[in-house]
Amino acid sequence: AQKITQTQPGMFVQEKEAVTLDCTYDTSDPSYGLFWYKQPSSGEMIFLIYQGSYDQQNATEGRYSLNFQKARKSANLVISASQLGDSAMYFCAMRFSGGYNKLIFGAGTRLAVHP
Amino acid sequence: NAGVMQNPRHLVRRRGQEARLRCSPMKGHSHVYWYRQLPEEGLKFMVYLQKENIIDESGMPKERFSAEFPKEGPSILRIQQVVRGDSAAYFCASSPRADNSPLHFGNGTRLTVT
Repeated sequence: AQKITQTQPGMFVQEKEAVTLDCTYDTSDPSYGLFWYKQPSSGEMIFLIYQGSYDQQNATEGRYSLNFQKARKSANLVISASQLGDSAMYFCAMRFSGGYNKLIFGAGTRLAVHP
Repeated sequence: NAGVMQNPRHLVRRRGQEARLRCSPMKGHSHVYWYRQLPEEGLKFMVYLQKENIIDESGMPKERFSAEFPKEGPSILRIQQVVRGDSAAYFCASSPRADNSPLHFGNGTRLTVT
């Protein structure tokens, strides 16, 4: 069965420092996609970054990068140079096998950035 | 290019009433997904629709819940005879294709059942 695990309920980071949010997954499907979303206190879901299982390089989007370790089945999100506006819930998600965007989400990690 | 539009943003219903949640996908997107988020939890898949077709409703409760995506107009998630346990945030997402293209979510509808 497919499963996403985020083991850090909450994380703290000092402004301008980097932080890594952990995500591990379990699937027997050779083809899958991994996503990270940010949910600020206002509630919307903001897409951050995507990694395909066959992508050779780790995905990067501005200050966000995905540390994809396929053998370990981990897809950690790295946020560099944290900003106060990064304080939010962060969700890791995996695309189900089956050919469409049926995602399963982890429980989330709440990140607090301190000045 | 407008994003995924959901309305209302907040909806309050008394037990036993009906709730109708609307979702207009991004322009050019013909694939719509509904997800539910209970407090302090991640999103859970409910249903996947293409125009006029329900493709996968495996996450929908068998009773009281229905979804449609007509040829014209927004997608509708309908909850009949709401109960307190239906209180949650309901998110709609759309994508242009049925593949790994990222899902773009709307701002959600927060349903409160009193």
